[in-house]
Amino acid sequence: DQQVKQNSPSLSVQEGRISILNCDYTNSMFDYFLWYKKYPAEGPTFLISISSIKDKNEDGRFTVFLNKSAKHLSLHIVPSQPGDSAVYFCAASEGGATNKLIFGTGTLLAVQP
Amino acid sequence: DTEVTQTPKHLVMGMTNKKSLKCEQHMGHRAMYWYKQKAKKPPELMFVYSYEKLSINESVPSRFSPECPNSSLLNLHLHALQPEDSALYLCASRPTGVNEKLFFGSGTQLSVL
Repeated sequence: DQQVKQNSPSLSVQEGRISILNCDYTNSMFDYFLWYKKYPAEGPTFLISISSIKDKNEDGRFTVFLNKSAKHLSLHIVPSQPGDSAVYFCAASEGGATNKLIFGTGTLLAVQP
Repeated sequence: DTEVTQTPKHLVMGMTNKKSLKCEQHMGHRAMYWYKQKAKKPPELMFVYSYEKLSINESVPSRFSPECPNSSLLNLHLHALQPEDSALYLCASRPTGVNEKLFFGSGTQLSVL
């Protein structure tokens, strides 16, 4: 039972254009969402997060949008750069003391020069 | 110091061997995690320690034995592993509080022969 899904296994974008990565979840108890970037054989690196009380959070080139009614979030990267090429995971948690974090299936982003 | 340090980076072991993975952080985080990641899959939660006590065990086989000797250290003891246990093992830590992100180490790439 995959509670967090990223339906696009891969995405290819031209340098300078917008990258949009999507994520859907099923558990209505999730109240905190994060995006991580990962290179092979390395640990995930935190990018940006959003709490369920917000519908948008922005940090530089990265913006995360949350649509609670649709149980959907998206990460926008503008402008995309070749160094952004990596696997992107969305993750969700119900909060609480131990903050159990559930990862999505991942999307491989390739930014073409 | 904002790092989670994992050693060794690579480990090859036979099915009868006993080995240990080590994780260390000096950020004062009181929640520490073990995740397992197979190729082309998302990280899967194995164990969570909160204030040096095991708070979550995701039904992990007993051949994996976690230990948290103090607030900075987390070990994963391995014994009688199977080839299917070959994976990237990721350690993470998190500050206590609501909506805090996890900080990940770079992982130990484990191969079981």
